[in-house]
Amino acid sequence: DTAVSQTPKYLVTQMGNDKSIKCEQNLGHDTMYWYKQDSKKFLKIMFSYNNKELIINETVPNRFSPKSPDKAHLNLHINSLELGDSAVYFCASSSTGRLDNEQFFGPGTRLTVL
Amino acid sequence: ELKVEQNPLFLSMQEGKNYTIYCNYSTTSDRLYWYRQDPGKSLESLFVLLSNGAVKQEGRLMASLDTKARLSTLHITAAVHDLSATYFCAERTSGTYKYIFGTGTRLKVLA
Repeated sequence: DTAVSQTPKYLVTQMGNDKSIKCEQNLGHDTMYWYKQDSKKFLKIMFSYNNKELIINETVPNRFSPKSPDKAHLNLHINSLELGDSAVYFCASSSTGRLDNEQFFGPGTRLTVL
Repeated sequence: ELKVEQNPLFLSMQEGKNYTIYCNYSTTSDRLYWYRQDPGKSLESLFVLLSNGAVKQEGRLMASLDTKARLSTLHITAAVHDLSATYFCAERTSGTYKYIFGTGTRLKVLA
């Protein structure tokens, strides 16, 4: 019973390609996030959706485009991949109905751009 | 700029010893979180601290929050090898959905 799942787990691709990462949560949460973790393990928020509405859009290149078809899904599409996009991308979810607003993280997608 | 600073960044300690990781944040945060991350794995939630003076304990780990000092601590008691991991604190800025993570503390417990 995976709470937050991501596909694929690993993604190896060439520079210039376009790729997508998918995220699904079965926790009934209303808010979902994308984070990027770089090689130094630093975690930075990229996007957040609340009830399918974009609420956080950090200074991310516009090659990155999130899409939330419904509250349980948040996808990330990346155009024209660059070497610097290599990282681990984590999806997370939380509920505004919970007092603690605790985030639950997916297993991560390790993206390697060659 | 919103910041969350952890120290130390790296910690190597002997089994059986005690140590504290510090987390300083710059905003008027109303939530403070601690996570553990094992190599190649996701983040596992350890503690959520919701108010000034909050203290939570689980096994050999104890977390506390001082909102006036904008400081949270993660205390390790009698460390064991299984505690080796990277520990992150994160704060959620009041009135937002934004979570800011600290730099992480990489802990290695030597047998």
